[in-house]
Amino acid sequence: DSGVTQTPKHLITATGQRVTLRCSPRSGDLSVYWYQQSLDQGLQFLIHYYNGEERAKGNILERFSAQQFPDLHSELNLSSLELGDSALYFCASSVVSGRRGETQYFGPGTRLLVL
Amino acid sequence: QKEVEQDPGPLSVPEGAIVSLNCTYSNSAFQYFMWYRQYSRKGPELLMYTYSSGNKEDGRFTAQVDKSSKYISLFIRDSQPSDSATYLCAMRGSDYKLSFGAGTTVTVRA
Repeated sequence: DSGVTQTPKHLITATGQRVTLRCSPRSGDLSVYWYQQSLDQGLQFLIHYYNGEERAKGNILERFSAQQFPDLHSELNLSSLELGDSALYFCASSVVSGRRGETQYFGPGTRLLVL
Repeated sequence: QKEVEQDPGPLSVPEGAIVSLNCTYSNSAFQYFMWYRQYSRKGPELLMYTYSSGNKEDGRFTAQVDKSSKYISLFIRDSQPSDSATYLCAMRGSDYKLSFGAGTTVTVRA
């Protein structure tokens, strides 16, 4: 158990709908990352938040948005869903520790199926 | 061309064999190199973490990084059926954005 929690575990919805995925980082971790994992694209970085502020964006669609709240939990919002958005969505939190630098710990993921 | 290339396999070995996995990359800015293990329907779990070139050993696992060749490897000695999983290489520069390989699916036969 990494200490990162994600809800819900599974989500089934229809095209055109909007969903919200939630992530709670490990205690004390200020950084939250979102990733999308699909069969054809592998694990892709979406977005990084640090202590409430957006730090970096990856291959995130304009239909997707995220935020990190004062209690450090984060939400990933996916709107106007398409069939191709079906994937596993992972959240990771991280800590910076000395020479080792930053280590990311992944949550169990949310499996999204768009029908 | 992808930034990180990893043969997806699958790779099947008998119990006790050495598993050899590798990745190549094109971005010279990568400084931190990691290997993650992912069991089916679970989140990736950090196995090994290496900074710059060199070798690192942790129990049955050895990670090697050759920055001059842009090539990293993971070796698993005395493999066990519980090692059956997908192994993902990951790397980053100073910006904390991880780039992953496609993952290699490994099966260790009892």
